[in-house]
Amino acid sequence: EDQVTQSPEALRLQEGESSSLNCSYTVSGLRGLFWYRQDPGKGPEFLFTLYSAGEEKEKERLKATLTKKESFLHITAPKPEDSATYLCAVLGGSNYKLTFGKGTLLTVNP
Amino acid sequence: GAGVSQSPRYKVTKRGQDVALRCDPISGHVSLYWYRQALGQGPEFLTYFNYEAQQDKSGLPNDRFSAERPEGSISTLTIQRTEQRDSAMYRCASSFATGQPEETQYFGPGTRLLVL
Repeated sequence: EDQVTQSPEALRLQEGESSSLNCSYTVSGLRGLFWYRQDPGKGPEFLFTLYSAGEEKEKERLKATLTKKESFLHITAPKPEDSATYLCAVLGGSNYKLTFGKGTLLTVNP
Repeated sequence: GAGVSQSPRYKVTKRGQDVALRCDPISGHVSLYWYRQALGQGPEFLTYFNYEAQQDKSGLPNDRFSAERPEGSISTLTIQRTEQRDSAMYRCASSFATGQPEETQYFGPGTRLLVL
């Protein structure tokens, strides 16, 4: 069974203080690893899809990387508007259902 | 363009009543998914449609839950004889297809169900 573990559960940063979020996964035949951002009261908003180890993707202050066992979401010089819950999910094997982690609640203080 | 829409956004019902939750996927997306999300958790899979065919319903908790997508577009998730434990956020997602790279799933805003 696919499993996803995210750490830390919560992270508080000062504006401009860079850091990384971790997503460890076990899956049979990874077809994609997905990062979503979720604001309170809203649905998950798609950020990135990574397909194979070594792949990297960037969007503004966010950069996602992938190895065979984990993915990192690096946040460079974050701003208060980056505050949200960041969800990681995997799609594996012959499944079509995403398996999500519990998320990391990121708070960026001005 | 328009994203995934869901209605109602909030539903309060009494225990024992039936409820129907609606999902309108992104135009052209053939794959549709229903998830349930508890507070502080990631979404958990309920069921999946490819066009109008329900390909997987393994995540539906019991036989009080059913879903349909008769014309391959709008989907309805029905919960019969609701119980308080059914209270949750129900989310719908759609994807263009189920083959890389088109299978990124886009989520709707969800329906918050409260069973009294």
